[in-house]
Amino acid sequence: EIVMTQSPATLSVSPGERATLSCRASQSLSSNLAWYQQKPGQTPRLLIYGASTRATGIPARFSGSGSGTEFTLTISSLQSEDLAVYYCQHYNDWLITFGQGTRLEIK
Amino acid sequence: EVQLVQSGAEVKKPGESLKISCKASGYSFNSYWIGWARQISGKGLEWMGVIYPGDSDVRYRSSFQGQVTISADKSITIAYLKWSSLKASDTGMYFCARLSDWRNAGRGPIPKGGFDYWGQGSLVTVSS
Repeated sequence: EIVMTQSPATLSVSPGERATLSCRASQSLSSNLAWYQQKPGQTPRLLIYGASTRATGIPARFSGSGSGTEFTLTISSLQSEDLAVYYCQHYNDWLITFGQGTRLEIK
Repeated sequence: EVQLVQSGAEVKKPGESLKISCKASGYSFNSYWIGWARQISGKGLEWMGVIYPGDSDVRYRSSFQGQVTISADKSITIAYLKWSSLKASDTGMYFCARLSDWRNAGRGPIPKGGFDYWGQGSLVTVSS
């Protein structure tokens, strides 16, 4: 089973600043990686798939990059509504796993 | 409009059985994989397994194999997650979700996208 490791565990960023979240896989995924946003009390929402493709309706301030074992989610100009936990997830095979999440706080 | 609507909260005792449901609408149910994920006490997400309703092909994460049963009834477009003997450690929120894309590879079907639609969650509480 592929282990997904996210860092940092918690990130505090001021509105308007850039937030950079990292995800590392224990083996190569090619680009078979998705990012999700889960706001307090809500269900997860798909942000990015294929490591860098924004899902339908996702604002352009969200971007994904990386391939192989190192991936990044960038929020270019943080808004207050971006307060959430962000998860990466691989789908390289059917033994799908999530990272443990990064909690994004607004300063 | 694609919708996944899950059954309501359940309170059960250890050893009891339970089947929760996920009603799909707004798309071709037979043609998309549906999976289940667990979230305990607001912590991280754990993937449990997926099913292809078209032919009932099921793939389990190893830690959930034998612990739960995933099934689907394509005549009524509902996916299920069943326990035959609940434990206190099964307490948590359970989500169904639709896989956005998949491909037939030489070795069988493979996922090719994220999970784009999610149910609202079913809270399961197991306590004596």
